[in-house]
Amino acid sequence: QKEVEQDPGPLSVPEGAIVSLNCTYSNSAFQYFMWYRQYSRKGPELLMYTYSSGNKEDGRFTAQVDKSSKYISLFIRDSQPSDSATYLCAMRGLTGGGNKLTFGTGTQLKVEL
Amino acid sequence: ETGVTQSPTHLIKTRGQQVTLRCSSQSGHNTVSWYQQALGQGPQFIFQYYREEENGRGNFPPRFSGLQFPNYSSELNVNALELDDSALYLCASSPDRDGSPLHFGNGTRLTVT
Repeated sequence: QKEVEQDPGPLSVPEGAIVSLNCTYSNSAFQYFMWYRQYSRKGPELLMYTYSSGNKEDGRFTAQVDKSSKYISLFIRDSQPSDSATYLCAMRGLTGGGNKLTFGTGTQLKVEL
Repeated sequence: ETGVTQSPTHLIKTRGQQVTLRCSSQSGHNTVSWYQQALGQGPQFIFQYYREEENGRGNFPPRFSGLQFPNYSSELNVNALELDDSALYLCASSPDRDGSPLHFGNGTRLTVT
């Protein structure tokens, strides 16, 4: 079993829809949670960075962490065609291990006109 | 724009050869991490360097090695290339070795034939 599970999609939605992307994990030591967006032929771009449980909002993006369920989510409101990309969740422990991130496999999102 | 640049963007090598990939980190970022991203997968941690010393390693064999230089540049070297080494190699930098979010470059696409 992988430490981080993420539905690979592809997920196709109409423009303006609310998108929900999710990851589950098994390692209870994970404390920092991130979402990256990766366009084709590009490196991952950091979208959201959260510590422990709770919600964080940034513009059209909201990240949620539920440590009791080992479940994290990214919501995108008013989705745009420019949001079409692969979304990667990533996480790491509190101390030690340097900056080693454990990633999900990524969910491919397509927002259609 | 993350300030992390990688070269070359694409590279084709033959099985058994050696390859060197290069990364230029953001000024002031003392930590550089390297990741391997196979097609359709999330990035996998190779290793991290902090102030020119290896500071963490993932599950990769010794034929993967690295160097970090005082001018915020670094190298990833892979010896005895195998077909499975074909992947996108990503470099990421951060200002410290433990806790800051990582910012990635656009990667080097390596194809081994």
